[in-house]
Amino acid sequence: GAVVSQHPSWVICKSGTSVKIECRSLDFQATTMFWYRQFPKQSLMLMATSNEGSKATYEQGVEKDKFLINHASLTLSTLTVTSAHPEDSSFYICSARDSGLADSYEQYFGPGTRLTVT
Amino acid sequence: GQNIDQPTEMTATEGAIVQINCTYQTSGFNGLFWYQQHAGEAPTFLSYNVLDGLEEKGRFSSFLSRSKGYSYLLLKELQMKDSASYLCAVMDSNYQLIWGAGTKLIIKP
Repeated sequence: GAVVSQHPSWVICKSGTSVKIECRSLDFQATTMFWYRQFPKQSLMLMATSNEGSKATYEQGVEKDKFLINHASLTLSTLTVTSAHPEDSSFYICSARDSGLADSYEQYFGPGTRLTVT
Repeated sequence: GQNIDQPTEMTATEGAIVQINCTYQTSGFNGLFWYQQHAGEAPTFLSYNVLDGLEEKGRFSSFLSRSKGYSYLLLKELQMKDSASYLCAVMDSNYQLIWGAGTKLIIKP
């Protein structure tokens, strides 16, 4: 149980285009999902917390107009990188909390999406 | 500020034991996680400690001392497949995970 999927697993796009990444909880409901970014040889950096039915909470320094997050259902959150540039090339990972488990704060991670902007 | 410290890199021999330390200073504490991350993959959950003491799970054990702001991950009977980065993360008072930079573990035959 507690499986999180991400799509696509990797994507190459041209500078200036937009890319959408999907994060799905397959066998549980998740009112809260998290989006992370990880550059080579660095740790995870939390970008934003996605809450079902409300606006995402962005971490300091993350542009909300560039990284659009939509959490329209209890099993799906999407991250859209708008007007992507080469410096946005990174490994994007989502995680989700099982909202059906009381007092459970464990995060289940998706497999990640590797974005390369040329 | 919030801070998680762990060694950048460690090397150990196949079949041996290795201990990876993690010290933390956070605003509040709601548990400490250890994750394993192979290169190019997402982290996978290893352990969760919220009370002081040792939690054993097969070849892996995790220890926590809240008064010292200290944890370690102990790996026994090391196998080549254990070569990975090990991430320490603390859940703060807002239930947000604060991540360490990770310890790259290199296993040699």
